[in-house]
Amino acid sequence: QVQLVQSGAEVKKPGSSVKVSCKASGGSFAGNPFIWVRQAPGQGLEWVGRIIPSLGIVNSAQTLQGRITITADKSTNTAYMELNSLRYEDTAVYYCASTTVTTDDWGQGTLITVSS
Amino acid sequence: DIQMTQSPSSLSASVGDRVTITCRASQGVRKDLGWYQQKPGKAPKRLIYAASSLQSGVPSRFSGSGSGTEFTLTISSLQPEDFATYYCLQHNVSPWTFGQGTRVEIK
Repeated sequence: QVQLVQSGAEVKKPGSSVKVSCKASGGSFAGNPFIWVRQAPGQGLEWVGRIIPSLGIVNSAQTLQGRITITADKSTNTAYMELNSLRYEDTAVYYCASTTVTTDDWGQGTLITVSS
Repeated sequence: DIQMTQSPSSLSASVGDRVTITCRASQGVRKDLGWYQQKPGKAPKRLIYAASSLQSGVPSRFSGSGSGTEFTLTISSLQPEDFATYYCLQHNVSPWTFGQGTRVEIK
């Protein structure tokens, strides 16, 4: 089982950027896919993207392409999700998860609020 | 993108009821589908992986079936702790996509 600890809540202005971290401990890091999921207030789950650190594979939602960067630092077992040109509609709780066929571990979520 | 259509969007049921939730994919996803439970203020929790395999630690009253484009999550006897929102997620093709969710409420 992997324990995932995410960075804290942030309030950002429209047009700015935010970088959310997800530090893994207690299990494999490089070989497991990490996914990012967000949930706007009162809404459903939206898949944001994924990374497989050992393979350097990165995919992201087409609606966010051009604004999102997903990376991983194998030396610190930390995955990152950076979102640029923030919009009001990016306000959401962002979750990271380490997911394989048989395992599924989630971070606690990070609330990103976009407000002027 | 593959669209996941989940039904119903909400349902009311009593403790002990059998509950069935359906997810339909706009194109075949083989068995690359999971079912998640989410309670308010909490991260999602996977119940079923590979369409029909029970996640370790999940009660056996939860079961999944289907492949290709039609999938079902069944709760054989609804318990008080099962009142939550349920989502399907296909991971056959990027971008992965969630169903819109089914809220299970107390009747």
